[in-house]
Amino acid sequence: SQELEQSPQSLIVQEGKNLTINCTSSKTLYGLYWYKQKYGEGLIFLMMLQKGGEEKSHEKITAKLDEKKQQSSLHITASQPSHAGIYLCGADNTGTASKLTFGTGTRLQVTL
Amino acid sequence: GAVVSQHPSRVICKSGTSVKIECRSLDFQATTMFWYRQFPKQSLMLMATSNEGSKATYEQGVEKDKFLINHASLTLSTLTVTSAHPEDSSFYICSARDPSGHGTEAFFGQGTRLTVV
Repeated sequence: SQELEQSPQSLIVQEGKNLTINCTSSKTLYGLYWYKQKYGEGLIFLMMLQKGGEEKSHEKITAKLDEKKQQSSLHITASQPSHAGIYLCGADNTGTASKLTFGTGTRLQVTL
Repeated sequence: GAVVSQHPSRVICKSGTSVKIECRSLDFQATTMFWYRQFPKQSLMLMATSNEGSKATYEQGVEKDKFLINHASLTLSTLTVTSAHPEDSSFYICSARDPSGHGTEAFFGQGTRLTVV
């Protein structure tokens, strides 16, 4: 089965600081998805990466997938309180983007 | 973009009763939907794959008789927790992908928080 590890498990950063969350797979990925979740709520799609070496950015969030397609990082620049939440990476093992295996999640707190 | 709606968002039920959770694709047809479960401070765990017009496929360790899944139409899948017990209390969330869309992201419902008392 797919092994997907996220680090760190939790993170507290001061507003304005940069941060990085990592997601490592034991297998080559068809696709890697990043979601944000407020506790007890649904998932908000952030970005999807499919190609080795791919990098995508949206506002202050950048996600990268390494060449081997086994590791991804999510980088937030100049963090804001609105960035607080749980970040989850999801692995697509089938190439259909439907059935995902999720990482353990990273709980981000942004202090003033 | 595609929207998946889940209902109810919260439900409290008595131990021994059954609870039905609905997952609807609002602007697309989904032949396959997925049901996940999330315990507090843990990640999402896939429970089962809901297939329109056929039996659901359950992940290892998930009791099919306890978690009944029905996918009677292309826009609706239901998860029924039968004879609920306090240990079934959890956050349940469904997802679906628009097969006709150009994007490949999976869309998630808002989730349902079930509390069994």
